[in-house]
Amino acid sequence: DIQMTQSPSSVSASVGDRVTITCRASQGFGRWLAWYQQKPGKVPKLLISAASNLQSGVPSRFSGSASGTDFTLTISSLQPEDFATYYCQQASSFPLTFGGGTKVEIK
Amino acid sequence: EVQLVQSGGEVKKPGESLKISCKGSGYSFTTYWIGWVRQMPGKGLEWMGIIYPGDSDTKYSPSFQGQVTISADKSISTAYLQWSSLKASDTAMYYCARRLSSGGSWSFDYWGQGTLVTVSS
Repeated sequence: DIQMTQSPSSVSASVGDRVTITCRASQGFGRWLAWYQQKPGKVPKLLISAASNLQSGVPSRFSGSASGTDFTLTISSLQPEDFATYYCQQASSFPLTFGGGTKVEIK
Repeated sequence: EVQLVQSGGEVKKPGESLKISCKGSGYSFTTYWIGWVRQMPGKGLEWMGIIYPGDSDTKYSPSFQGQVTISADKSISTAYLQWSSLKASDTAMYYCARRLSSGGSWSFDYWGQGTLVTVSS
């Protein structure tokens, strides 16, 4: 199985800050990596597929990148509605696996 | 509009059986994989398995193989997740989700609203 190690597990940031979240895979699998946002009590929302493809309707302040087995989600300027938990997901092969999540909290 | 509508919350006792559902609408149900994801209270997301309603081809996570059964009835555009003998540790929110249509990614673009399963004596 491909393990996804997500870091940090939580981050405190202010509105306007740049926030970076990383997922490291236990082995390479190309670019089939997805990022989701989940707000408390809500359903996960797909933000990015294939490492860097922004889903329709997702603000351009969200971006994703890949380098080998390291994947990064960047929020360029944090907005109040971005406070949530973010998950990466290996979307290449079975069993599909999620990272442990990163909670973005208000500083 | 694509929608996945899940059945309502359940309260069950240990040892009981349960089948929850996920009804798709607004798209061709038989041509998109439907996955199931567990989220235990206060915890992260766990992929359980996935089914292709067109031919019922099913893949399970090793963590859930033998513990649950995933099925689908394409005549009514509904996927199911079932347990034959629930445990307290099955208490969680369960989501169904549709596989993203484009490319080779096994990510999920539409999600059901979730079904909360509570198992308690």
